[in-house]
Amino acid sequence: NAGVTQTPKFRVLKTGQSMTLLCAQDMNHEYMYWYRQDPGMGLRLIHYSVGEGTTAKGEVPDGYNVSRLKKQNFLLGLESAAPSQTSVYFCASSSRVYEQFFGPGTRLTVL
Amino acid sequence: TQLLEQSPQFLSIQEGENLTVYCNSSSVFSSLQWYRQEPGEGPVLLVTVVTGGEVKKLKRLTFQFGDARKDSSLHITAAQPGDTGLYLCAKGSGGSNYKLTFGKGTLLTVNP
Repeated sequence: NAGVTQTPKFRVLKTGQSMTLLCAQDMNHEYMYWYRQDPGMGLRLIHYSVGEGTTAKGEVPDGYNVSRLKKQNFLLGLESAAPSQTSVYFCASSSRVYEQFFGPGTRLTVL
Repeated sequence: TQLLEQSPQFLSIQEGENLTVYCNSSSVFSSLQWYRQEPGEGPVLLVTVVTGGEVKKLKRLTFQFGDARKDSSLHITAAQPGDTGLYLCAKGSGGSNYKLTFGKGTLLTVNP
């Protein structure tokens, strides 16, 4: 099993460009999450999903959109990237118990 | 917002030393998880504690959940360079256990 995979691993954008981060999990988990991790700020929840076709806002949702068209995939979109969105983005998934499984992360730089 | 405070923020020790890191909250929580994140990777769950006073051991790591369920500690015995990483605690938020709030972490460096 691959667990949670994220593509791409690295990306550099110019201000105003758009992009989509893809997260895929092969564990049949109901719940999926997108976090951002910044120095000194810890992990902050952007958006999450409790099942196929559902999404909800987390702690820092502004500037991001998400979609969960298939149970195994969770997409994070940036419509107009800003330098403040420079960060490391992590996707995670979980079943109805406590543990979250994380992907390896995507390092995004917005110039 | 119910915050989790972790201390110390940074810790640098020599191989073979013992250490303890802490996770505290002003409110009671039903469960607490500890994750370790190695450089360039995502966090990996180490343990979940759910009962006040609970102690769990994972090789050289000992996790304790406070009796009042407002605090937790992680003790590492005879630290090794492979223990280097960011240690994060997390608790369920918004009345659920599937959505987590993370502390900012303790960055541990174990020097050979």
